[in-house]
Amino acid sequence: GESVGLHLPTLSVQEGDNSIINCAYSNSASDYFIWYKQESGKGPQFIIDIRSNMDKRQGQRVTVLLNKTVKHLSLQIAATQPGDSAVYFCAETPTGNMLTFGGGTRLMVKP
Amino acid sequence: EADIYQTPRYLVIGTGKKITLECSQTMGHDKMYWYQQDPGMELHLIHYSYGVNSTEKGDLSSESTVSRIRTEHFPLTLESARPSHTSQYLCASSAGTARGTEAFFGQGTRLTVV
Repeated sequence: GESVGLHLPTLSVQEGDNSIINCAYSNSASDYFIWYKQESGKGPQFIIDIRSNMDKRQGQRVTVLLNKTVKHLSLQIAATQPGDSAVYFCAETPTGNMLTFGGGTRLMVKP
Repeated sequence: EADIYQTPRYLVIGTGKKITLECSQTMGHDKMYWYQQDPGMELHLIHYSYGVNSTEKGDLSSESTVSRIRTEHFPLTLESARPSHTSQYLCASSAGTARGTEAFFGQGTRLTVV
């Protein structure tokens, strides 16, 4: 069938390096943001979230940064591993509303 | 592991057939979603539901229809499948609380219409 939408941009990093994936969101009323990881043939899985009253949140090897002034979200992955190769999507939602996904970035980790 | 299930995982069907993609969740979530995704492409919201008897069309126009008769069940139906419907269909659910919560996804149904 005809493909829907645009091909995803690709970020290629060396194993062991840090990765930074960026996302611009559109709705200034959004107050909750999530990063998802989607491996080939699977549904997206939750990685980390952040609420608008924070500008940084850390998980295991991952950090999410939120800049509300410019409506920008980033995901930092420390010491990138081959298992991190996947497509990463950001998602936003204003309180009580539906989740809206950003375009996604394909991360490729070179051994 | 999220308790949201989609069946079938893979489906190859002839043009003109009617098909229903099943999605069930056991988390008691109010909100449910259907997304369409082609390989290596973005996620596109095609339908969503705030709860029982609530269904809305998403951002991407789709010839499919949905129903929400029970909280746990959100099936998607194509009355007459066409090759242009070939894609992956992902179902998700989230709790309908006042503050935003994450959505949990099923494994997806990969549909091929020949």
